[in-house]
Amino acid sequence: GAVVSQHPSRVICKSGTSVKIECRSLDFQATTMFWYRQFPKQSLMLMATSNEGSKATYEQGVEKDKFLINHASLTLSTLTVTSAHPEDSSFYICSASLEYRGGEAFFGQGTRLTVV
Amino acid sequence: DAKTTQPTSMDCAEGRAANLPCNHSTISGNEYVYWYRQIHSQGPQYIIHGLKNNETNEMASLIITEDRKSSTLILPHATLRDTAVYYCIVRNSGGSNYKLTFGKGTLLTVNP
Repeated sequence: GAVVSQHPSRVICKSGTSVKIECRSLDFQATTMFWYRQFPKQSLMLMATSNEGSKATYEQGVEKDKFLINHASLTLSTLTVTSAHPEDSSFYICSASLEYRGGEAFFGQGTRLTVV
Repeated sequence: DAKTTQPTSMDCAEGRAANLPCNHSTISGNEYVYWYRQIHSQGPQYIIHGLKNNETNEMASLIITEDRKSSTLILPHATLRDTAVYYCIVRNSGGSNYKLTFGKGTLLTVNP
C-alpha cells in the first residue's frame, strides 16, 4: 500500500509551452503533497507544499506564477510548468506522507522534463 | 530542522554489511531521524526512522547513539541493487504535513 504515482515519467516540450505533471496517491488520501526539483548530480530541493483545497505554499525563490500547483482532491496534485525554458529542464518529484505511519513519506517515480 | 552531516561516498563489497554514518549534533528532543535512499533516476524510497531507540525492519537497522547526536544505518548484507544515494534527515514529529529537507547524502557503491 501507500503508492504515489506520477505521470508522465518523461516529457519533452518546446520552449514557451506549458507542461502539466500529475501526482496521485493511489491507495490513500493526502491532504498535503510536496513537490521537489532535482538537477543533475544535486540533491532534491523542495519547491512547494501543496494543500488540498487551498493555495500552495512556495519555498523562497520559487516563482508561483511559473510553477502552478493545484490540489483539487485528496488524491491528486498537479504541477504545471508554464512558459517552459531550457533551464526548467529537471527531474520533478512529488511526495505525500502518512501520518499514521509516523509521517513516512512516499515518493512518486519522478518526471524527467526536457525543454528544447 | 537540525542539520545532518554525511560522508560524500562509501564503498562496500557485495554480501558484506554496509554501515552508513550520520552526524546530527544539533538534534532536538522531538526530532526524528529518517533515512531514505534514491537509486539513480528514481524517486526516493523510505528505509527506516527512529527517535531514540534502535530500530530494525526488513530493509535495515538504525542505531542511534545514546546522546542522539549521531546514528548509523546498517544494511546487513549489501547487494548490487543497494547502490544508491542514502539521505539521513532529521525532522520534527511525524505529522503528514511536515516537509523533508534533503542534504547531499552518501553515495553508496556496492562492488561485486
